[in-house]
Amino acid sequence: NAGVTQTPKFQVLKTGQSMTLQCAQDMNHEYMSWYRQDPGMGLRLIHYSVGAGITDQGEVPNGYNVSRSTTEDFPLRLLSAAPSQTSVYFCASGVVGAGGYTFGSGTRLTVV
Amino acid sequence: RKEVEQDPGPFNVPEGATVAFNCTYSNSASQSFFWYRQDCRKEPKLLMSVYSSGNEDGRFTAQLNRASQYISLLIRDSKLSDSATYLCVVWGGNKLTFGGGTRVLVKP
Repeated sequence: NAGVTQTPKFQVLKTGQSMTLQCAQDMNHEYMSWYRQDPGMGLRLIHYSVGAGITDQGEVPNGYNVSRSTTEDFPLRLLSAAPSQTSVYFCASGVVGAGGYTFGSGTRLTVV
Repeated sequence: RKEVEQDPGPFNVPEGATVAFNCTYSNSASQSFFWYRQDCRKEPKLLMSVYSSGNEDGRFTAQLNRASQYISLLIRDSKLSDSATYLCVVWGGNKLTFGGGTRVLVKP
């Protein structure tokens, strides 16, 4: 049982490049979300989804796009990478409001 | 004001001692509450849910005070392995909101 899988684990981008961070879960969870965590700070919500075809913005959505075409996948797209997007990105999934949520192991992104 | 606020610490705790810390939340409509644990550079992992009546899981006790909008976590008989950052997490409005975390360092 893989849980929540994030790829890649590490990535270096140049300013202005675009890329997609992948997140997949095999637990049939309705809820999926993306967070970023900067050094010494808590997790900030970027985007979330309560089911296939439904997405909404979190606290820090600017510069990021998401889509949810299937229950399993919730990719995060960086449109034009900026140094301010250097961070660790975590994907999480769970049952809406029902309990704990499972996190992926994170993607460490550096934008130079 | 942040939606979920925690004392960042660190709380330096002798091995075997008891440590307790709180978090406050601003949205009175929040529905569910959790404590997560995060080790350095790793993903957060669920420690325990928090129920209105209070609940215990081994050496960990969680309390919820809806009237004052705070959640607490108490760790008894601290172990070196309890050193971590403890994240207070609130569910409401279809969003999971994290506090900034409380760092706990257990020392021999």
